Amino acid sequence: AIRITQSPSSLSASTGDRVTITCRASQGISSYLAWYQQKPGKAPKLLIYAASTLQSGVPSRFSGSGSGTDFTLTISCLQSEDFATYYCQQYYSYPWTFGQGTKVEIK
Amino acid sequence: EVQLVESGGGLVKPGGSLRLSCAASGFTFSSYSMNWVRQAPGKGLEWVSSISSSSSYIYYADSVKGRFTISRDNAKNSLYLQMNSLRAEDTAVYYCARGVVSPNGLFDYWGQGTLVTVSS
Repeated sequence: AIRITQSPSSLSASTGDRVTITCRASQGISSYLAWYQQKPGKAPKLLIYAASTLQSGVPSRFSGSGSGTDFTLTISCLQSEDFATYYCQQYYSYPWTFGQGTKVEIK
Repeated sequence: EVQLVESGGGLVKPGGSLRLSCAASGFTFSSYSMNWVRQAPGKGLEWVSSISSSSSYIYYADSVKGRFTISRDNAKNSLYLQMNSLRAEDTAVYYCARGVVSPNGLFDYWGQGTLVTVSS
């Protein structure tokens, strides 16, 4: 199975900050990487797919980059509603696997 | 509006069985693959199983293979997960998730989840 290593596991930031989360795949996955946002007690929400394509309705302050094994999610100007846990996921091959998650907390 | 509503969760003893259901609406259910993803309390997401639109292709995580069975009824717009020989480590919120038409493995809509607790 492809292992996805996500970092950091948590971070503290303030509203307006630029935040970066990274994921590394144990083997090349082309651009078959997605990012999800999950708020407490809620289902995950798809933010980005194909490494850099924004899902419909997602604010443009979210962006993704990378291909092969290294990927990045950037939130350019953190808003109060962005405090949540973020997961990356590879869909290059079964079994589909997720990163461990990054909890973005208020500083 | 796409809606996925899970049901069937609850408390079950180790070794017991449970059947989860997911009722879909707001889209042509028979055109999409469907999936189960779970999340143990305070933990991350784990893909459990996938089924193609016509049930021709079915996949399981190694952790549930041989114990869980995914199925669907396109006439009833419903997805199911039969869980047998349940273990404490199966305790989790189980989400039903729609797969995009292409490629496989990308989940664009999720239900609210149903909690399964395996404990004596």
